[in-house]
Amino acid sequence: DVKVTQSSRYLVKRTGEKVFLECVQDMDHENMFWYRQDPGLGLRLIYFSYDVKMKEKGDIPEGYSVSREKKERFSLILESASTNQTSMYLCASSPIRAGGLNEQFFGPGTRLTVL
Amino acid sequence: ILNVEQSPQSLHVQEGDSTNFTCSFPSSNFYALHWYRWETAKSPEALFVMTLNGDEKKKGRISATLNTKEGYSYLYIKGSQPEDSATYLCAFPNNYGQNFVFGPGTRLSVLP
Repeated sequence: DVKVTQSSRYLVKRTGEKVFLECVQDMDHENMFWYRQDPGLGLRLIYFSYDVKMKEKGDIPEGYSVSREKKERFSLILESASTNQTSMYLCASSPIRAGGLNEQFFGPGTRLTVL
Repeated sequence: ILNVEQSPQSLHVQEGDSTNFTCSFPSSNFYALHWYRWETAKSPEALFVMTLNGDEKKKGRISATLNTKEGYSYLYIKGSQPEDSATYLCAFPNNYGQNFVFGPGTRLSVLP
């Protein structure tokens, strides 16, 4: 079974804290993604990475950074958490495949609450 | 930012009803169109990848059609069951097809 795992299902942090969300995939996929999901807005791309140490901004990168030191691991970092970052965060991975055929595989999500 | 729309936003049907919903996407620079099902407390799972105009895909009671010229895809569920309750997402690849723009989803509730 293919697997994408995320470090926590639920997380509660205080405003101003530094927050790390970890994602690990065991499928040897090149691409990895971080999304946030808010009601009525669907999944919005924060950052993605197509190789180790490579990263690209998605649609909503402000307030976030990422790290990809190993192929299987992609970390999302909130340098100073704010209440508007309270959300569900999903990690996904996919192989590189031409023509938009690369199915993305998702982790179970981390519901982050910032107080 | 590309605009991918889905309608309706939510839907309540009785067990046994058939239903359908829509995904609208840009008709230019089309690579493929993905459908995902996201059940509560689970990860989104892929349903279909659709690539050609006129494509039709089927998995059990769920089927999907694609019109790339006018930029829409329909998802149909025949004889809905409570286990079909989920949010259905469509996703449009961009950036040479490597990452997706997701629609906001259609939340389906099937009442027994």
